[in-house]
Amino acid sequence: DSGVTQTPKHLITATGQRVTLRCSPRSGDLSVYWYQQSLDQGLQFLIQYYNGEERAKGNILERFSAQQFPDLHSELNLSSLELGDSALYFCASSTRDTKDYGYTFGSGTRLTVV
Amino acid sequence: GNSVTQMEGPVTLSEEAFLTINCTYTATGYPSLFWYVQYPGEGLQLLLKATKADDKGSNKGFEATYRKETTSFHLEKGSVQVSDSAVYFCALRKGNSGYSTLTFGKGTMLLVSP
Repeated sequence: DSGVTQTPKHLITATGQRVTLRCSPRSGDLSVYWYQQSLDQGLQFLIQYYNGEERAKGNILERFSAQQFPDLHSELNLSSLELGDSALYFCASSTRDTKDYGYTFGSGTRLTVV
Repeated sequence: GNSVTQMEGPVTLSEEAFLTINCTYTATGYPSLFWYVQYPGEGLQLLLKATKADDKGSNKGFEATYRKETTSFHLEKGSVQVSDSAVYFCALRKGNSGYSTLTFGKGTMLLVSP
């Protein structure tokens, strides 16, 4: 157990729908990062939050949004889902937001859009 | 921009063979370098890291040396086991004032047979 909790583990939904993925960071970690992993694109950085504020944005589609709440858990919202959104979505947290620190990853949410 | 290039897999070895997975990077300044491992059905786990040139990271028999002159961080292990079968990701992180995120390579699958 890495200490980063993601729910649900699996999600199957239809095109056009909206889903919410949830992440609780490791205790004490203020930074939360979201990544999408697919076979063709590899690991793509989506967005980072630090202590409730958006800090960095990567290749995140406009249909996707995220937020981090006062208790530091984060949610990734995916709307108007398309078949191509099927992927593994990982959340990670970090003790400090500096280059010498790696991330601790959760076990991911596998999203299947049918 | 920052990028990481890994050798394509799968790398197929017999148990007790020597392992090398090549990783090179492109980045300005002095990034930190990381190797992560992903076992089937799991999230990424930090394997080792190096934060400055000539540093050697090591863990569980794996080693990698930060070579700035060749911009490389190759992963090595002297004798692999079947349990080492997984996908290995090389990554870099730069920036010390926040706003620094991990950039990953595409991953290299390692298959070890008995």
